[in-house]
Amino acid sequence: DSGVTQTPKHLITATGQRVTLRCSPRSGDLSVYWYQQSLDQGLQFLIQYYNGEERAKGNILERFSAQQFPDLHSELNLSSLELGDSALYFCASQEGSGGSYEQYFGPGTRLTVT
Amino acid sequence: GENVEQHPSTLSVQEGDSAVIKCTYSDSASNYFPWYKQELGKGPQLIIDIRSNVGEKKDQRIAVTLNKTAKHFSLHITETQPEDSAVYFCAAPGAQKLVFGQGTRLTINP
Repeated sequence: DSGVTQTPKHLITATGQRVTLRCSPRSGDLSVYWYQQSLDQGLQFLIQYYNGEERAKGNILERFSAQQFPDLHSELNLSSLELGDSALYFCASQEGSGGSYEQYFGPGTRLTVT
Repeated sequence: GENVEQHPSTLSVQEGDSAVIKCTYSDSASNYFPWYKQELGKGPQLIIDIRSNVGEKKDQRIAVTLNKTAKHFSLHITETQPEDSAVYFCAAPGAQKLVFGQGTRLTINP
C-alpha cells in the first residue's frame, strides 16, 4: 500500500459525458501528478500540482482539467468523453516538486467509455 | 531525462536465471533514477532507486547500476521467480517531473 488513494476504482460511462476522478496524496506530500495509461502502453504524464498550484503540464487534452484543493487532494475532470479516453488513470504523490523525489502511485481508476 | 530510452520491450527468462533491463537518458544533470514494477491491473510500485553519488545499489535479489559517463542505468534481477513477472519502468528527472521509459514486459517461465 503506497498511501495514495484514488476513487473510484472503476468507472463506466457513455461518450459525451463528464467524470471526476479523485486522488488523495500520502500524508505530508505536497505534489500530485496525473498519468494516463492506455492498454499495453506506457505512462503518459498529464499534469502536476504542487501545494495547490499547477507546476507542469504534459499531453493533457483541452477537454481535461485538474485542480488541487487546500487539503491537498486533487481531482481530474474529463469532459466530452470519447471512446479513446478509455484508459487507466493514475495519480502519484511526492514530497516536493521536481524529478528528484520518490514518487508513489495510487491504485488507479479504470475508465471505460462506451 | 528529458528523453529516456528503455530496452528491451519484452524479456522472457527461465525461472532462476537473471534478468537485466537497460535505460539511457539524455540530460547529464540528472541525479535520480528510480525503477517501478507494475503488476497487472495495479499501480506502478517503486522497487529501487539510485542517486548519482553512487554507482550501484542492491536490495536482496534486485540491484541497480549507474554509469554517469555513458548516461545509462540498469536493473538486475537475480534468481528470478514467477512473482517477478510484471512490467518494469525506469525513469529519470525532467523539467518538474519524472520522465518514464517505455516499459519492459518481463515474463518468468517455470
